[in-house]
Amino acid sequence: NAGVIQTPRHKVTGKGQEATLWCEPISGHSAVFWYRQTIVQGLEFLTYFRNQAPIDDSGMPKERFSAQMPNQSHSTLKIQSTQPQDSAVYLCASSHDRDEQYFGPGTRLTVL
Amino acid sequence: QQQVRQSPQSLTVWEGETAILNCSYEDSTFDYFPWYWQFPRESPALLIAIRPVSNKKEDGRFTIFFNKREKKLSLHITDSQPGDSATYFCAASTSSSFSKLVFGQGTSLSVVP
Repeated sequence: NAGVIQTPRHKVTGKGQEATLWCEPISGHSAVFWYRQTIVQGLEFLTYFRNQAPIDDSGMPKERFSAQMPNQSHSTLKIQSTQPQDSAVYLCASSHDRDEQYFGPGTRLTVL
Repeated sequence: QQQVRQSPQSLTVWEGETAILNCSYEDSTFDYFPWYWQFPRESPALLIAIRPVSNKKEDGRFTIFFNKREKKLSLHITDSQPGDSATYFCAASTSSSFSKLVFGQGTSLSVVP
């Protein structure tokens, strides 16, 4: 069991560039969650999928952020026209039942 | 609006003492409460969790006490060890189906040898 895999581990972008973050959930887990963590805001929910279908995106900034889960083995979070305030650690978690969520190592995004 | 609140923000205890971390919530539909711990440069890891069907959950040196009426819970760490030094997050969700976690702001625990 390799755990949740996130790539890249670190990403640096210039203001206005696009960033795509990848997540591979634990095999057999049917739900994938995206969170982000900053010192100021703490851990914030962004969006989640169950059986690849988007269920709740209430935490996603409506502009510039989008997420997809094209198959059961990976999900992507895309941020268009990145801004310095998007700098954060983006965490992916997966779950095989309705409770326990297991986090990946995160992607540290730095927008210059 | 902060739906899950934690106190204190930071806590220092001596090795061997009991650390008590507090958490409160507002949404009465919350029915699953996990605690995560996070070490520097790592992601949060599930430590222990409780459902309101019980008012206590124990796992080794870690115990959750739950008070549904007051919407409060606490994490007790007995015989604290330096390796317990981490940030502890209380979270909550409505687990009628898969559901997002709402996190508190965390308590930074330092255990001094």
